[in-house]
Amino acid sequence: RKEVEQDPGPFNVPEGATVAFNCTYSNSASQSFFWYRQDCRKEPKLLMSVYSSGNEDGRFTAQLNRASQYISLLIRDSKLSDSATYLCVVHGSGGSNYKLTFGKGTLLTVNP
Amino acid sequence: DGGITQSPKYLFRKEGQNVTLSCEQNLNHDAMYWYRQDPGQGLRLIYYSQIVNDFQKGDIAEGYSVSREKKESFPLTVTSAQKNPTAFYLCASSMEGPQYFGPGTRLLVL
Repeated sequence: RKEVEQDPGPFNVPEGATVAFNCTYSNSASQSFFWYRQDCRKEPKLLMSVYSSGNEDGRFTAQLNRASQYISLLIRDSKLSDSATYLCVVHGSGGSNYKLTFGKGTLLTVNP
Repeated sequence: DGGITQSPKYLFRKEGQNVTLSCEQNLNHDAMYWYRQDPGQGLRLIYYSQIVNDFQKGDIAEGYSVSREKKESFPLTVTSAQKNPTAFYLCASSMEGPQYFGPGTRLLVL
């Protein structure tokens, strides 16, 4: 099993749609979790952290299931500006307090 | 403004040449990282440093070298031993949580 695995997509959705991304991780000792977004030819930017109780930031909802080692990101009411690659990131899977492990990303295109 | 800067934005390397990529941060972060990203691929860790004067190899350190003489700076040298250096290089920093990235350097081989 890969350390962090994501559905690569691509996801093509119309504006206003709801879209969900899933991610699994292999190390049950992983400590914290994040979603980043990366625009084409740009650096990744932190979108949100993922907490055990689930958390919401506007149209974005992140959830964590430690028992299943599964993370999700839900985007409601998609905007054209949401088009990007979404990276699932796991902290602490390599035995280091600092090391992050990145998934390969899921490409989202929101169409008018 | 606080942040991470990388220079140059584009860098061209000739065969057999060593080149150095700059990374500077003024966020007072202890840890700094170098990643490589190839088209359609995820980020791969080259080197990381948790404190000044200390650094560890990541998953793909061969053909690269780093130094960490100052907390703010973590330059990466791509040596002639790196046979496939063309990629997008990203520097990041953190304080035991999420990492924050610089804008990246695109390295191309002439």
